[in-house]
Amino acid sequence: GAVVSQHPSWVICKSGTSVKIECRSLDFQATTMFWYRQFPKQSLMLMATSNEGSKATYEQGVEKDKFLINHASLTLSTLTVTSAHPEDSSFYICSARDHRDMGISFFGQGTRLTVV
Amino acid sequence: KQEVTQIPAALSVPEGENLVLNCSFTDSAIYNLQWFRQDPGKGLTSLLLIQSSQREQTSGRLNASLDKSSGRSTLYIAASQPGDSATYLCAPFNNAGNMLTFGGGTRLMVKP
Repeated sequence: GAVVSQHPSWVICKSGTSVKIECRSLDFQATTMFWYRQFPKQSLMLMATSNEGSKATYEQGVEKDKFLINHASLTLSTLTVTSAHPEDSSFYICSARDHRDMGISFFGQGTRLTVV
Repeated sequence: KQEVTQIPAALSVPEGENLVLNCSFTDSAIYNLQWFRQDPGKGLTSLLLIQSSQREQTSGRLNASLDKSSGRSTLYIAASQPGDSATYLCAPFNNAGNMLTFGGGTRLMVKP
């Protein structure tokens, strides 16, 4: 089946630095990808919808200047956490829909971000 | 706005039992509904997808049903095994919002 690959799987960074997370659809094209954040023992919270060739759509309460999203190609979306702070530490997961296959959504492996 | 509720929130059973996980959603105008499995610290694995026009889908020991009009879906796990221990998430997809909405999940523990 289709695969969505997310990289890195974990990252530790210092406060004030920026971190980029990549999300790739490996065998299908995705005009839309989604970025989620998950806190411990909680469900996934949609942060933003990444649209190829246009600006991302952010959910209410999500700072677009803090979480920069770029969807430059049909197989790659990136999430950059800018000027990271400890409160940004979380589990970030991306997904993409395969429109060839009933619109099924596939998820990346997730990225554990720890800001120290 | 779609709201999804999963019951029970947690479940602990001995190996071999048949299980029923429940999911309810408020907006029945869905395109499809997926059930996912999440292991601790990992991403989501798609288990089953049910189109809005379908009533159920089966994969191995898993069977998912959908009653769109009443806003309910059920995941049935037959002959549970310790390897089934994980969090199970239900997520309907709404075209209007172009998004999946997740329930809080059911944390399942199957004891040997």
